[in-house]
Amino acid sequence: DAGVIQSPRHEVTEMGQEVTLRCKLISGHNSLFWYRQTMMRGLELLIYFNNNVPIDDSGMPEDRFSAKMPNASFSTLKIQPSEPRDSAVYFCASSLAGLVPREQFFGPGTRLTVL
Amino acid sequence: KQEVTQIPAALSVPEGENLVLNCSFTDSAIYNLQWFRQDPGKGLTSLLLIQSSQREQTSGRLNASLDKSSGRSTLYIAASQPGDSATYLCAVSPQGAQKLVFGQGTRLTINP
Repeated sequence: DAGVIQSPRHEVTEMGQEVTLRCKLISGHNSLFWYRQTMMRGLELLIYFNNNVPIDDSGMPEDRFSAKMPNASFSTLKIQPSEPRDSAVYFCASSLAGLVPREQFFGPGTRLTVL
Repeated sequence: KQEVTQIPAALSVPEGENLVLNCSFTDSAIYNLQWFRQDPGKGLTSLLLIQSSQREQTSGRLNASLDKSSGRSTLYIAASQPGDSATYLCAVSPQGAQKLVFGQGTRLTINP
């Protein structure tokens, strides 16, 4: 079975440009998590969805960030406009929602550099 | 607010040694605790998941323990190998939330 798929793997863009990161969940999973990893702050949750519905977006830095799940297996994280401080590795994770949280499986990440 | 701490930040040991990585968390109200491995420039690989009702989990040379009341977990690696070199992260899932709260990780180097 394929794991979590993220694209692109690397993205270099200039300040002010729109950036879209993509994630495909593991087949059969229905929870989707977006995390960001930086040297200073480590891994932090940005937002997560259960069954396509955003449950907790308290980690989204500001209005420049938005995330969607247009269908049950796919999600996008958009940054518009991007800023140099958005440079980080963005991870998507997938899980099977239940009464209690289950194991999360991470994608390979997207390394974003904003110049 | 749940906080997770991992000590030490870095550890270097010769091949063949048994070693212990430590993780502590401030709020014992958790659903579970998960240990991950991260290789440089790569994603996270799940190693072990311990439910809050469990005391330990084992997978091969890895053994993770959980003492929820004291807010501590350890990851024991037996007979370490150079291929075990990576950053090890622990994360807890707080009760009332499905998210993971991560520690900063321990960077492990196994010297041949």
